[in-house]
Amino acid sequence: EVHLVESGGGLVQPGRSLRLSCAASGFTFDDYAMHWVRQGPGKGLEWLSGISWNSGRIAYADSVKGRFTISRDNAKNSLYLQVNSLRAEDTAMYYCAKDIGSGKGINDYGMDVWGQGTTVTVSS
Amino acid sequence: QSVLTQPPSASGTPGRRVTMSCSGSYSNIGRHTANWYQQLPGTAPKLLIYNFNQRPSGVPDRFSGSKSGTSTSLAISGLQSDDEGDYYCAAWDDSLNGWVFGGGTKLTVL
Repeated sequence: EVHLVESGGGLVQPGRSLRLSCAASGFTFDDYAMHWVRQGPGKGLEWLSGISWNSGRIAYADSVKGRFTISRDNAKNSLYLQVNSLRAEDTAMYYCAKDIGSGKGINDYGMDVWGQGTTVTVSS
Repeated sequence: QSVLTQPPSASGTPGRRVTMSCSGSYSNIGRHTANWYQQLPGTAPKLLIYNFNQRPSGVPDRFSGSKSGTSTSLAISGLQSDDEGDYYCAAWDDSLNGWVFGGGTKLTVL
C-alpha cells in the first residue's frame, strides 16, 4: 500500500525557515514525480511545486517561487520542501502527493495518493 | 480567483444524481488532462477521477467524469450522505507552468 508521511511543520515566526519532509513507502519512489500542495485554514487547495522522478524537471507556483525549494532523495525515498522567509499567509496544511504516472513528467497526469499533511503556522 | 471555475456549492437528496462543473481555458483543460479530487471533512484529498473520465481502482462507478471543450464535469449518482464534502478539479496550465485547482464545490446531501 502506498503511504506518504509528512513531517517538519510547526509554529514559526515570520521571516524564519522550515524544512518539510515526506517519507514514502509502498511504491518504487524513483519511478514517480512528486508534488507539494497546501491548504490554508478554510481555503481551497493550492499546488506549490512538483519534481520529476530524476529531479530533472522542477516547477513552482508563482506565489512561492524564489522562497520555496523542492528536492528529493531517491536513495532515502524522501521528498523535501525548504520553505524560507515565511509569511502569515503561508499558514496552511502542507501535503505531499505522488504523481499518477510512472516515469512521466510533472505535468502529465497529476496527483493521486496524498499524505495526511503537516501543519505550518506562521505567527509571532 | 482560480483559473478553473467551479460553482461554490451543489446539493442533492439521497439516491439522486448531482453534477458539478469546472470551467477552464485552452491553456489548461483544452490541452491537458484534468482530475477530480474529493475531500471529506477533516481528511486529505483523494483522487476520484483522472484524465477526465478514468476511475482509480476502488472508486465506485457512481462517480463519473466527462469533458466538453475547455470544461470538465463530475457526476455522482446514487447520492449518499457520505458523499458530503468538497470537490476540486485540477489541471496543468501552460501559461502558469504549473498545476491549478478550481476553488472547490461544497456538496451537501439534503
